[in-house]
Amino acid sequence: DAKTTQPNSMESNEEEPVHLPCNHSTISGTDYIHWYRQLPSQGPEYVIHGLTSNVNNRMASLAIAEDRKSSTLILHRATLRDAAVYYCILRGYNTNAGKSTFGDGTTLTVKP
Amino acid sequence: DVKVTQSSRYLVKRTGEKVFLECVQDMDHENMFWYRQDPGLGLRLIYFSYDVKMKEKGDIPEGYSVSREKKERFSLILESASTNQTSMYLCASSLTSGRQEQYFGPGTRLTVT
Repeated sequence: DAKTTQPNSMESNEEEPVHLPCNHSTISGTDYIHWYRQLPSQGPEYVIHGLTSNVNNRMASLAIAEDRKSSTLILHRATLRDAAVYYCILRGYNTNAGKSTFGDGTTLTVKP
Repeated sequence: DVKVTQSSRYLVKRTGEKVFLECVQDMDHENMFWYRQDPGLGLRLIYFSYDVKMKEKGDIPEGYSVSREKKERFSLILESASTNQTSMYLCASSLTSGRQEQYFGPGTRLTVT
């Protein structure tokens, strides 16, 4: 199964943009790149996902490298409520999407 | 609003007991998953199911079994609980394809004494 690599931790100041990187050099052509975040004492929640093109939604933007071997989750203006563990995972196109593996994620600290 | 619910937020059981963790989703999703989460080890997949009565082992199935008799319900069973199964257990569901996101429940913190 394709794996992802993320930095263990990152810090940001409130109201500044945050760029969270993820490497997935063994990604296959049918893998979707998903991002989830987990707030303390809660289950993970979906943030964004994409295949090849950059994606935007109300929570964040996802920038995908042209070779798809890396991606970056962009929070445009970090707030204290964005402090969480962020996971980048790959999910296959077909029924084996369940085999997606979560790594350790990146713990984001937001300073006031 | 999509919803994945788990039967208990906190559970305390004794070593050797049979433990059932229940998960229900109201989104008509085909796929359902059970993960456990331990400090420093991230989320690890125990089992997943892609249809009623269908299941596949995840990365750490030993000591666990699952049951999916109805589409909306996925149960995780610890046949004989042990202390090393003390953990946070998370259930999730999704439509079939990786094009669709997973939705997670709030988790069950199980302590085995």
